[in-house]
Amino acid sequence: NAGVTQTPKFQVLKTGQSMTLQCAQDMNHNSMYWYRQDPGMGLRLIYYSASEGTTDKGEVPNGYNVSRLNKREFSLRLESAAPSQTSVYFCALQDRVYTEAFFGQGTRLTVV
Amino acid sequence: SQELEQSPQSLIVQEGKNLTINCTSSKTLYGLYWYKQKYGEGLIFLMMLQKGGEEKSHEKITAKLDEKKQQSSLHITASQPSHAGIYLCGGPTDSWGKLQFGAGTQVVVTP
Repeated sequence: NAGVTQTPKFQVLKTGQSMTLQCAQDMNHNSMYWYRQDPGMGLRLIYYSASEGTTDKGEVPNGYNVSRLNKREFSLRLESAAPSQTSVYFCALQDRVYTEAFFGQGTRLTVV
Repeated sequence: SQELEQSPQSLIVQEGKNLTINCTSSKTLYGLYWYKQKYGEGLIFLMMLQKGGEEKSHEKITAKLDEKKQQSSLHITASQPSHAGIYLCGGPTDSWGKLQFGAGTQVVVTP
């Protein structure tokens, strides 16, 4: 979706390294989400932000931090990557409740 | 916390046949989304249901939400190779709209 840009698209990290996944939108939506997708487990919510400056934990927040400094960007940080964090990460955004949620193309992360 | 369970986990259907995917919630749903995902790609919005008993159709795909708003089904008529992929149901788990999703159903369409 052109409205949601995730960077990078692919990344390989060594255990213990840190990195930040970036998500930027040009749709002026309020809510933004970070999910991880693993085989057989579907999408699991890591963190979400209902509005600029606010964040809240989702289902699987351990090992991650987020930052929503402005309305446009929502970043996900891995401070010390672990092999268990190998996954595909999706950023999503939504204007308001009960409207379509838009997803980025995903970041495929491998931790070795 | 609310869980969304999808069934089956996967299915193989012959081209031209119909298929149905179910999504069940442990709590009353505020709304229910259906998305489709092709391997290695992002999620494509199919439709959203909000009212009990609501039914929506798009091309050969029909989705229904039961009266109690705890179960939804997605039905594909006369499946085609383009229908192959992973189908996910999701929905807001509270009035703030925090979205959660089921584990997905993988659909394979054979010639």
